[in-house]
Amino acid sequence: KQEVTQIPAALSVPEGENLVLNCSFTDSAIYNLQWFRQDPGKGLTSLLLIQSSQREQTSGRLNASLDKSSGRSTLYIAASQPGDSATYLCAVRPIRDDKIIFGKGTRLHILP
Amino acid sequence: GAVVSQHPSRVICKSGTSVKIECRSLDFQATTMFWYRQFPKQSLMLMATSNEGSKATYEQGVEKDKFLINHASLTLSTLTVTSAHPEDSSFYICSAQSGVGQPQHFGDGTRLSIL
Repeated sequence: KQEVTQIPAALSVPEGENLVLNCSFTDSAIYNLQWFRQDPGKGLTSLLLIQSSQREQTSGRLNASLDKSSGRSTLYIAASQPGDSATYLCAVRPIRDDKIIFGKGTRLHILP
Repeated sequence: GAVVSQHPSRVICKSGTSVKIECRSLDFQATTMFWYRQFPKQSLMLMATSNEGSKATYEQGVEKDKFLINHASLTLSTLTVTSAHPEDSSFYICSAQSGVGQPQHFGDGTRLSIL
């Protein structure tokens, strides 16, 4: 059974710092991995999607990497800003299954 | 494109009430819709998968008689929480998919609070 773990559960850093969020999954047979942002009481915003054949994706200050063989992904946020404060969710989609499995998320707080 | 609208965004009601949540795909046809539930500080957990015109498939531990799902058209799925109780208070999110293997597009969620 696929399990997705995110570490740390919560993180507070001063504005301007670069930071890394970690995600691990137990079954490497994935179709893709996706990082989402969730603001309190809101829905999900897709940030980056990495296909199983890819190793990384970049969008602005965000960079996500995927090491499928070791079951790990990282989300790198450069030059963090207070507006980056949110919960970041990692989710994997298994091969031959459209059900997405989510981690519990990392609650990020950027201190002004 | 690929907008999913979920309504209502928030509902507060008394215990024993039935509550209906709508999930609409606004600019595409959704052959499959998914319903998730999220308790505070927990993962989004898949509750059920619904395909247009057929019965929903429920995940283990989810009561199908309590959480009624209807996917009568290619743009609308509804989740009805019947005889809701305080333990049903949660954040419910739907997603819609235009075909097998296609990306899921998520609604903004519904915050359900049962008093």
